[in-house]
Amino acid sequence: GAGVSQSPSNKVTEKGKDVELRCDPISGHTALYWYRQSLGQGLEFLIYFQGNSAPDKSGLPSDRFSAERTGGSVSTLTIQRTQQEDSAVYLCASSWEQGARNQPQHFGDGTRLSIL
Amino acid sequence: KQEVTQIPAALSVPEGENLVLNCSFTDSAIYNLQWFRQDPGKGLTSLLLIQSSQREQTSGRLNASLDKSSGRSTLYIAASQPGDSATYLCAASGAGSYQLTFGKGTKLSVIP
Repeated sequence: GAGVSQSPSNKVTEKGKDVELRCDPISGHTALYWYRQSLGQGLEFLIYFQGNSAPDKSGLPSDRFSAERTGGSVSTLTIQRTQQEDSAVYLCASSWEQGARNQPQHFGDGTRLSIL
Repeated sequence: KQEVTQIPAALSVPEGENLVLNCSFTDSAIYNLQWFRQDPGKGLTSLLLIQSSQREQTSGRLNASLDKSSGRSTLYIAASQPGDSATYLCAASGAGSYQLTFGKGTKLSVIP
């Protein structure tokens, strides 16, 4: 596609439920990143994928959070047993892999997650 | 641990003014420094990326500078327009990792 696509755009769920957030990166981008943006904390890194592997998952806040990427393309971020503090906007970004650290990251519009 | 600070948190200027947004970072061992724009309810749009070996980058009315030794970057916007109103975020890429560390942003309002 033309840009990074995230779905759903909004998700409201009850505390304790599991949620899945999807990211479809720009075609050909092999590097993929998940971030979380909340009012008090700003933008925080969660996990980085290089192809289907995740060499850096240091930002995942707890073992309730997991992510996978299949076929070097679509990624899913799963939050189990959601809690109210998980409420935030979850942003996905992608970039070219070659020299990835000097390639700009292209962001999707995010998924706004609200936990009741 | 890298920390990125942006001052001011909000800025309001009349249309046509030139302005400077500031970004500071605590660890000078960065790989690059990036500036983004975020419109309400939207994701981030990459504006400029300055590699650690560079001093500045320009795109149209935007100019970003980088001074690693002092841990500072500035984004200069010339002849501001109402369409420039948005939140501007800077982010540092650490030398040893792919993750970006973001500041909390400067919310810019350009008044017609």
